[in-house]
Amino acid sequence: SQQGEEDPQALSIQEGENATMNCSYKTSINNLQWYRQNSGRGLVHLILIRSNEREKHSGRLRVTLDTSKKSSSLLITASRAADTASYFCATLIDAGKSTFGDGTTLTVKP
Amino acid sequence: GAVVSQHPSWVICKSGTSVKIECRSLDFQATTMFWYRQFPKQSLMLMATSNEGSKATYEQGVEKDKFLINHASLTLSTLTVTSAHPEDSSFYICSARKTGVNYGYTFGSGTRLTVV
Repeated sequence: SQQGEEDPQALSIQEGENATMNCSYKTSINNLQWYRQNSGRGLVHLILIRSNEREKHSGRLRVTLDTSKKSSSLLITASRAADTASYFCATLIDAGKSTFGDGTTLTVKP
Repeated sequence: GAVVSQHPSWVICKSGTSVKIECRSLDFQATTMFWYRQFPKQSLMLMATSNEGSKATYEQGVEKDKFLINHASLTLSTLTVTSAHPEDSSFYICSARKTGVNYGYTFGSGTRLTVV
């Protein structure tokens, strides 16, 4: 099974609202990454948080990491219609392999 | 930057034929690249690790004779789907990481394969 599990699977909000997605993982990690994927497209790296970090910001994105609970969250503030996409967390396991969560499909309604 | 180019972006082929997908690191060298497969509305599943100058390492359940991987240079890895069947229809994505850069892996734009 996948290393990461994400919830919710789908999230629909209005433009301007905040969107929060959660990711849980099973094994110890060096870092955790969040990616975005527009429908039928490749992945775009959003942010990486290391295992010794608890919170990280990048523009309208805020990522938290709780290694004791093996979980991470991605918060998108003041969402826009262009934020509509699928969001995946990924953990780096051995030999550089990334294991992806199931993803959250975010729909931002204008 | 770290740019990964994948080609073609989409391909339709007949059952029984083979299809080659290319993954290139444009502005950096990648001794290791990764190939993923993604079914509709599902996550990415790692298929294999492509190693420059040596054999690829396949994940459990992935047929190495069906999905041939060649990493002949530091900037190019190819995935060939041999004797394709409709169930091989999927989205294939490669990734690579620029050594020394800690912002995660760079992914190609993916290849949509449809086998008819």
